[in-house]
Amino acid sequence: KAGVTQTPRYLIKTRGQQVTLSCSPISGHRSVSWYQQTPGQGLQFLFEYFSETQRNKGNFPGRFSGRQFSNSRSEMNVSTLELGDSALYLCASSRVLAGSTDTQYFGPGTRLTVL
Amino acid sequence: TQLLEQSPQFLSIQEGENLTVYCNSSSVFSSLQWYRQEPGEGPVLLVTVVTGGEVKKLKRLTFQFGDARKDSSLHITAAQPGDTGLYLCAGAIFGNAGNMLTFGGGTRLMVKP
Repeated sequence: KAGVTQTPRYLIKTRGQQVTLSCSPISGHRSVSWYQQTPGQGLQFLFEYFSETQRNKGNFPGRFSGRQFSNSRSEMNVSTLELGDSALYLCASSRVLAGSTDTQYFGPGTRLTVL
Repeated sequence: TQLLEQSPQFLSIQEGENLTVYCNSSSVFSSLQWYRQEPGEGPVLLVTVVTGGEVKKLKRLTFQFGDARKDSSLHITAAQPGDTGLYLCAGAIFGNAGNMLTFGGGTRLMVKP
């Protein structure tokens, strides 16, 4: 079974621009979560999508948004980029179990550099 | 303040030594996962523990979930250079709907030959 795929793997943008990152989950997985990883803050939860709806949201400004499509693929968008948005953005997929959380499997990440 | 405190942050040991990494919280977790991450890559799942007091073994790695499901440990026996990497614990807080993980700060392990 193919793993979680993320595109692009590397991205360089300048301040003020916007960016869209893509994630394809493992086949059969319907939940997609996004995380930001930086040296200073570690791994922080951005949001989770299930059935095309945002189910959980972390403490990030509204410049960070996402969506999920009917095939469970997800995109996240960051508008008006700031230098501090430079990070590794990770996508994780999981099944959805009734009444409990399931193991999350991570993609390789997209390395975003904001100049 | 980290919701999940992971210690130590850094560990440099010689091949053959044993080590333990700790993850502690005041919150109860419905499950806790351990990941290992290589530079520039995503975290790779090592194990998931869900039952208080549970112990799981993966070759030379032993994972334990605290009885109260608030803490966990990872013990590596006879560490090898191939064990070098960033080890992360991550918990799903009990009562939270969905699949939101809270991560510890990570333990960067270096095993010298």
